[in-house]
Amino acid sequence: EVQLVESGGGLVQPGGSLRLSCSASGFTFSNSAMHWVRQAPGKGLEYVSVIDTNENSTYYADSVKGRFTISRDNSKNTLYLQMSSLRTEDTALYYCVKNFALGGMDVWGQGTTVIVSS
Amino acid sequence: SYELTQGPSVSVSPGQTASITCSGDKLGDKYVCWYQQKPGQSPVLVIYQDSMRPPGIPERFSGSNSGNTATLTISGTQAMDEADYYCQSWDSNTHVVFGGGTRLTVL
Repeated sequence: EVQLVESGGGLVQPGGSLRLSCSASGFTFSNSAMHWVRQAPGKGLEYVSVIDTNENSTYYADSVKGRFTISRDNSKNTLYLQMSSLRTEDTALYYCVKNFALGGMDVWGQGTTVIVSS
Repeated sequence: SYELTQGPSVSVSPGQTASITCSGDKLGDKYVCWYQQKPGQSPVLVIYQDSMRPPGIPERFSGSNSGNTATLTISGTQAMDEADYYCQSWDSNTHVVFGGGTRLTVL
């Protein structure tokens, strides 16, 4: 079964840091670009970041650029999102998502919740 | 930055056809995907490459894309189709862009 399991979310104060992890199984992780997508409470989907198969290329939404870093460890089948200088507006459910080679994103994790609050 | 616009809500009676639209500048020149998100659940890809269905997606889901508008059509809408639907495409730099989402209510 293809599966993505996120972890690392929690409550953090503004200005703090957090590292999210996503453990992948059931597919060849090293062959898939991977994404992070977030959803604030009661809001729509917001694209956060993508990393290609070998970390040669990454992209960040303007809202997180310079504060978030996406990385991966293909030997551990794990995707990461290092978040720093967190703001209250970063409060959201963060999804780890597998890229679909034919277009779009075909496997979503259950999400991990990040709450930025004092 | 490239923007995709969706209406906030669509209502449909069971068994009828629901149409959910997504608009963007020259959207027809790009591929569009659609995701279904039911309350408390993660999104599910229902359409890719404008009109293709992933395995396991019912045939009642179809898509089209032309001009500035992409459309997700659900034929014979069922109560289980009640959900939020998001369109997604790519900007000129091949970066992912989401629409704001449309809530489908099956009355």
